[in-house]
Amino acid sequence: LAKTTQPISMDSYEGQEVNITCSHNNIATNDYITWYQQFPSQGPRFIIQGYKTKVTNEVASLFIPADRKSSTLSLPRVSLSDTAVYYCLVGDGMNSGYALNFGKGTSLLVTP
Amino acid sequence: KAGVTQTPRYLIKTRGQQVTLSCSPISGHRSVSWYQQTPGQGLQFLFEYFSETQRNKGNFPGRFSGRQFSNSRSEMNVSTLELGDSALYLCASRRTTEQFFGPGTRLTVL
Repeated sequence: LAKTTQPISMDSYEGQEVNITCSHNNIATNDYITWYQQFPSQGPRFIIQGYKTKVTNEVASLFIPADRKSSTLSLPRVSLSDTAVYYCLVGDGMNSGYALNFGKGTSLLVTP
Repeated sequence: KAGVTQTPRYLIKTRGQQVTLSCSPISGHRSVSWYQQTPGQGLQFLFEYFSETQRNKGNFPGRFSGRQFSNSRSEMNVSTLELGDSALYLCASRRTTEQFFGPGTRLTVL
């Protein structure tokens, strides 16, 4: 199972772009990279998923280099409501790896 | 489409008791996973069920068990509760790779 490493916490001001990087050195060929967001006392919520290069949706962008040993979640122009914990997951989606590696995530604090 | 529901939302038990938590997945989702979340350990995987069979299991003692019914609803049971079992227990269902989480059950063990 691919182990992920991400910063424990990050701070940002409103309106700035935030980039959270996740390391996953032993990612397998079939593994996808997925990011979740969690607010206090709620379950995590899916943000974005990718396999390689760049993926963008209405909420965020996900950058994955060619070697896929890391990935970066980019949140454009954050607001106070983006204060949350962000989790990086790596797994093959339908089998064991996917469910396991939430860990402690990155706690993002956005201030005015 | 209704989301994942968990009951009860809050529970207070004493050490040594047992507890059963319930999870109803999104309609059509056959996979249900359970997680334990504590401030110290983060979000940890307990087990996953698919079509009534346990497919994966995390690193938790045998006091933690689960099951899934034919309608995909799932229950988890914790026997002989310990103070350290106080946590938010989350259930997630999925049909493909995206997991949908319920609001969780907050268990307090006194």
